[in-house]
Amino acid sequence: EIQMTQSPSSVSASVGDRVTITCRASQGISSWLVWYQQKPGKAPKLLISGASSLQSGVPSRFSGSGSGTDFTLTISSLQPEDFATYYCQQAHSFPRTFGQGTRVEIK
Amino acid sequence: EVQLVESGGGLVQPGGSLRLSCAASRFTFSAYSMTWVRQAPGKGLEWVSYISSSSTTKYYADSVKGRFTVSRDNANNSLYLQMNSLRAEDTAVYYCGRDSGTAGIDWGQGILVTVSS
Repeated sequence: EIQMTQSPSSVSASVGDRVTITCRASQGISSWLVWYQQKPGKAPKLLISGASSLQSGVPSRFSGSGSGTDFTLTISSLQPEDFATYYCQQAHSFPRTFGQGTRVEIK
Repeated sequence: EVQLVESGGGLVQPGGSLRLSCAASRFTFSAYSMTWVRQAPGKGLEWVSYISSSSTTKYYADSVKGRFTVSRDNANNSLYLQMNSLRAEDTAVYYCGRDSGTAGIDWGQGILVTVSS
């Protein structure tokens, strides 16, 4: 089973800040990495697939990078609607596994 | 836009059974693999099960293997999760999702399952 480790587990930031979340896989997964955003009481929303491909309708302030074992989600200028929990997920093999989540909170 | 609507959740006693359904629309259901993911209250996301487009391949998390069974009816655009021998730790919101591999999961709105006496 591939373990996915996100850091930090939470981050406090202000509107306009640059926020970076990292996700590390316990073994190489090429670019089989997906990022989701989840707001309280809502289903997760697909943000980035294939490690770096922004989904249609997702603001360009979101970006993803990495391959192999180390991946990054960056929000270039945090907006009020971005306060949420973010999860990475590997789609390389079964069982599918998620990171533990990173909560982005208002500072 | 993909539409997935779960149903069949509710309160069940430990050891009991429940069958979740997921009605799919606005995409060619028979062409896609599907998945179930759950989220316990206040916790992260846990993948539960996967079924290929033609039902030939199925996978389960170790935590549900032998107790849960995934199935689908392509003629009726429906996905199912039969859950037997339910435990308190199965209490969660259950999401069905269209699984496109590295293209990610498109999610339903979720349905709450509570296992309690």
